[in-house]
Parts: sequence; structure tokens; C-alpha cells
Amino acid sequence: DQQVKQNSPSLSVQEGRISILNCDYTNSMFDYFLWYKKYPAEGPTFLISISSIKDKNEDGRFTVFLNKSAKHLSLHIVPSQPGDSAVYFCAASKGSNYQLIWGAGTKLIIKP
Amino acid sequence: EAQVTQNPRYLITVTGKKLTVTCSQNMNHEYMSWYRQDPGLGLRQIYYSMNVEVTDKGDVPEGYKVSRKEKRNFPLILESPSPNQTSLYFCASSTRDRASTDTQYFGPGTRLTVL
Repeated sequence: DQQVKQNSPSLSVQEGRISILNCDYTNSMFDYFLWYKKYPAEGPTFLISISSIKDKNEDGRFTVFLNKSAKHLSLHIVPSQPGDSAVYFCAASKGSNYQLIWGAGTKLIIKP
Repeated sequence: EAQVTQNPRYLITVTGKKLTVTCSQNMNHEYMSWYRQDPGLGLRQIYYSMNVEVTDKGDVPEGYKVSRKEKRNFPLILESPSPNQTSLYFCASSTRDRASTDTQYFGPGTRLTVL
């Protein structure tokens, strides 16, 4: 049973428009959420995170929104750029447990 | 430059032939971890280590061993590889300070094929 779900395997967005990547989780004990970005032939790299005490965190073009009641988070990229084309993973952890539970990833394609 | 290195990057082997994938980090991180990535399943944790001589099972530990004799190294050992261990493997490290950004730094990955 996957505790962190990314239901869209891929997403195609026009350059300059907004990209919205979604992630759902089932475990209400999760209190820390992260987004990682992965290019082919490279390891994932950290992008942005959010604690459960917040509902929004912003870093430049990237904003993560957390809706605890719906157990849903989303990553917004505005404006989308060609270099944003990558696989995006959502991950979650709980309490002092350092283990991250990962979603299956969403492949984002930015069209010129 | 802060980094996590893995070797080899690519490996094709046969069933039953013992192999080791090395992982080394130069950031003095306490926490290290091994993941495998399979299509549609995301990253699944195999083993992790909170510090030297402290290791524990992740979600999919069967068929794997690890050791943590030094802080910087965390090798992954497959004593008798089988075809279902064909996968993309990542090593990661991080600090243990949850008050700061406890992000994990990943190695470039090792693509293993077991015939």
C-alpha cells in the first residue's frame, strides 16, 4: 500500500506557463514533506520542503502548498522553463524518523 | 565539493555472483541510506545507518547487506544476486539535525543488471 501517491506519471506544460504537480498521502502522522527533482543519469536533488505547521512555502519560482485536511500537497512552478523538465518526486517523513517515504514520481516536460 | 560518490555506475552480472556497490560521502554526515528505484514504485529504502556501526533495515532489505565501519563509507553488498534485484540503486547521506533542512544528498546512481 503506497502511503505517498503521485497519480500523474507525466505532465506536459508550455514554457512560461504554470506547472502544477500533485501528491497525496494517506498517513496523517506525516509532518514533513519534500520535493526532489531528478534529471536522467543523476541522483535526485532537493528542491523545496514544507512542515505540517505551514500551509505554504515559497522559494523563487517554486511554491509548495499543503492541505492537511485533504492530505494533499502540490508543487507550483511559475513560470515554467525548459530546464525544469525532469522527474519530480514527493516524499514524506514523520516525527524523529529520518526515513523518507517516496511517491512514484511525475515526469514534467516543458514544451518550447 | 560536497558530494556522494558511488561505484560502479553500471554493472552487469550473473545470478549468484557476489558483488559490492561502494558509497562514499565527504560531508561528515551521520545518516546514510541505500534506495532502489523501480518503474512506478518510486524510491524504496533498502537499509540505512544513523552512524558508525549502527545500521537498520528499510522497506526492502531482503537479499542485501550493508556495513558502516567508517563514517564516510556505506557499501551495499549482494551476497547472491538474483534477477529481481535488477534495478537502479542510489546512495544518500544527510545530517541528523531535523531543526535544519534535513535534505538528503544523493549519489549519481548505479544501474545493476542481474542475468
